[in-house]
Amino acid sequence: NAGVTQTPKFRILKIGQSMTLQCAQDMNHNYMYWYRQDPGMGLKLIYYSVGAGITDKGEVPNGYNVSRSTTEDFPLRLELAAPSQTSVYFCASSLGQGREKLFFGSGTQLSVL
Amino acid sequence: AQSVTQPDIHITVSEGASLELRCNYSYGATPYLFWYVQSPGQGLQLLLKYFSGDTLVQGIKGFEAEFKRSQSSFNLRKPSVHWSDAAEYFCAVADMEYGNKLVFGAGTILRVKS
Repeated sequence: NAGVTQTPKFRILKIGQSMTLQCAQDMNHNYMYWYRQDPGMGLKLIYYSVGAGITDKGEVPNGYNVSRSTTEDFPLRLELAAPSQTSVYFCASSLGQGREKLFFGSGTQLSVL
Repeated sequence: AQSVTQPDIHITVSEGASLELRCNYSYGATPYLFWYVQSPGQGLQLLLKYFSGDTLVQGIKGFEAEFKRSQSSFNLRKPSVHWSDAAEYFCAVADMEYGNKLVFGAGTILRVKS
């Protein structure tokens, strides 16, 4: 049982480049999330999805886009990378919201230079 | 919106000593509260959660937390710390005004010295 799988683990981008962070879960969870983690700031929600075809903005969505065409996959797109997007990105999934625990991937460390 | 405060950025304890990590939240009613742990290079893992009932909750790895409404706190404790407990710990609250999505504190980094 793989849980939540994120790829790549590390990436270096140049300013203005684009990339997609991949996230897949095999637990048939409806809810999926993208967080970014910056030192001393905790985790901030970028986007989330409550099911295939349904996405919504979180606390820090600027500079990112998402899609959810299947229950399993929830990719995060950076269109024009900026140094402010240097961070560690975590994908997570859950069966529901509120009381349900989140299952996290192991993260993607992204540097924009 | 709710907020979560973890006052201690770093804590260092000796192996075998007791541990208490502080967490304060802002919310009027009884919130859904969580503690997650992040080992180096890993994603977060749920340690324990509180929704209602007994204010002392037990979690995995020998951790417990106590909900104190009067102090708006949900502190994490462990009687005897092991070197493997070195990690970053996050307190989180489900924000009822934000669709029950989790709001995380800034985290506390625990160092264990032998």
